[in-house]
Amino acid sequence: DSGVTQTPKHLITATGQRVTLRCSPRSGDLSVYWYQQSLDQGLQFLIQYYNGEERAKGNILERFSAQQFPDLHSELNLSSLELGDSALYFCASSVGQFQETQYFGPGTRLLVL
Amino acid sequence: QKEVEQDPGPLSVPEGAIVSLNCTYSNSAFQYFMWYRQYSRKGPELLMYTYSSGNKEDGRFTAQVDKSSKYISLFIRDSQPSDSATYLCAMSGSGGSNYKLTFGKGTLLTVNP
Repeated sequence: DSGVTQTPKHLITATGQRVTLRCSPRSGDLSVYWYQQSLDQGLQFLIQYYNGEERAKGNILERFSAQQFPDLHSELNLSSLELGDSALYFCASSVGQFQETQYFGPGTRLLVL
Repeated sequence: QKEVEQDPGPLSVPEGAIVSLNCTYSNSAFQYFMWYRQYSRKGPELLMYTYSSGNKEDGRFTAQVDKSSKYISLFIRDSQPSDSATYLCAMSGSGGSNYKLTFGKGTLLTVNP
């Protein structure tokens, strides 16, 4: 158990819908990262927040957004969902802001029908 | 050319074999090198962390980094069925835009009893 929690574990929704994924980092970690993992693309970095502020952006679509709250938990919002958004979404956390060793949560499996 | 290349396998070995997993990379700014293990439908788990060139050993696992060749390896001695998983290499630099963690696509390993 990495200490990073994610909810929900599974999510099934329809195209065009909006969903919110939630992540709680390990105690003491200030950075939260979001990744998307699909069979063909592997693990793709989406976005990083550090102590409430956006720190880095990766391959995140405009339909996706995230935020980190004062208690350091984070939410990833996915809107106007498409079939191709079906994937595993992982949250990771680390102590600092420079993407050193990251600890991953168990992931949310999203299926868009 | 992708920044990080990793043979996806699959790799199948008998129990007790020595396993060699490898990644090559193109970004000479990478200084931090990691190996993650990911069991099916689980989040990646940090296995080994190495800074710069050299070897690091932890039990049955040895990580090697050759920065001159831009080549990293993970060796597993006396492999066990419980080692069956996908192994992901990851690396990052420091400062600027190079600190983002970049993952290989992963190698699927099966250890047969």
